[in-house]
Amino acid sequence: QVQLVESGGGVVQPGRSLRLSCAASGFTFSSYGMHWVRQAPGKGLEWVAVIWYDGNNKNYADSVKGRFTISRDNSKNTLSLQMNSLRADDTAVYYCARDKVDHAGELDYWGQGTLVTVSS
Amino acid sequence: DVQMTQSPSSLSASVGDRVTITCRASQSITIYLNWYQQKPGNPPKLLIYAASSLQSGVPSRFSGSGSGTDFALTISSLQPEDFATYYCQQTSSTPITFGQGTRLEIK
Repeated sequence: QVQLVESGGGVVQPGRSLRLSCAASGFTFSSYGMHWVRQAPGKGLEWVAVIWYDGNNKNYADSVKGRFTISRDNSKNTLSLQMNSLRADDTAVYYCARDKVDHAGELDYWGQGTLVTVSS
Repeated sequence: DVQMTQSPSSLSASVGDRVTITCRASQSITIYLNWYQQKPGNPPKLLIYAASSLQSGVPSRFSGSGSGTDFALTISSLQPEDFATYYCQQTSSTPITFGQGTRLEIK
């Protein structure tokens, strides 16, 4: 069965960096686009970034562009999100999610999420 | 960016009721509209994709309609497990954007 397991969250000071990972299993990882979506405490969903199946194309939300980098290692079935220059408003649960159709944005499987708290 | 506006923001209903949640896009997104259900402490679950296609495993009491800028999610007969928050999402253009959510509560 499809499984997505995020890791790497925690408490970090403003301006510092953090790297999230998402371990995928139960499907051919290299055939699917992957996304990061976040949810601030008590708030709605915010799309963060997408990477196409082969890693050759990426897109970002304006709020993270230039600070966050999405990447993937298809040999290790792993998705990553490098987050630099973190701000208090980056505090959220970060979900990785699989795209039904490469980069169409139809997110059919989600991980349980990892909480990132940016605080001094 | 395409802005997505859901209404209502919250809704109280009873088991067995027919419920409709609407979602309006700030510009035409043709049928690039998806619906998700989220329960507290859990990730979202895809219900409807491409405006009206039912995701595998989702009960048939859920249906989606619309195109262009106006969309709807209808639950034909509410079940206890349907009380949750619902989000629409447009994928017509990046950045992908979500509606603010509709919280469906038990009356």
